[in-house]
Amino acid sequence: AQSVTQPDIHITVSEGASLELRCNYSYGATPYLFWYVQSPGQGLQLLLKYFSGDTLVQGIKGFEAEFKRSQSSFNLRKPSVHWSDAAEYFCAVGLSYNTDKLIFGTGTRLQVFP
Amino acid sequence: EAGVVQSPRYKIIEKKQPVAFWCNPISGHNTLYWYRQNLGQGPELLIRYENEEAVDDSQLPKDRFSAERLKGVDSTLKIQPAELGDSAVYLCASASTYEQYFGPGTRLTVT
Repeated sequence: AQSVTQPDIHITVSEGASLELRCNYSYGATPYLFWYVQSPGQGLQLLLKYFSGDTLVQGIKGFEAEFKRSQSSFNLRKPSVHWSDAAEYFCAVGLSYNTDKLIFGTGTRLQVFP
Repeated sequence: EAGVVQSPRYKIIEKKQPVAFWCNPISGHNTLYWYRQNLGQGPELLIRYENEEAVDDSQLPKDRFSAERLKGVDSTLKIQPAELGDSAVYLCASASTYEQYFGPGTRLTVT
């Protein structure tokens, strides 16, 4: 069965530090991959997506992610974290035969210290 | 452009009572989704609509949950009767192509 694993439940970083959030997926075919961010009391906002092509994807708010097929990973990165980046981050996979169906990971909560 | 609108934002009910959630998608979006997000989890799809048609309701607990999308615009998700385990955030999303836009959700607490 398809699944998404986010191994880090909670990450704390200092403002200005670099960030990497891990995401691993399990799916037999080429997946469509997404990262969403959810601030408290808000809905999910799409940060970036990968469908095909260049495996390094640029998103909004200075985020990027790299698709590594050999590792079944799609890790999210940001070179310098801002206090406003504190939120919950969700990785999701869309099944290639039906990109409308998203399977989400359990999320990583990011805390940023000044 | 207005986003996905959901109401109410919060709802507290006693178990065995009915409850309904309303969603107004982004104008022009034919695809509408209802997700349930349990505490500490990612969203899980309950039902997906293409216009008025429910094309994927395999995860909807049909004994107590129902949904409708009359005229292919607004949608209502209903639970009757609610159980303690239904406490969660219910998210609505809409899409026109591959990107889903989410509403703020309705936080349901069943006591």
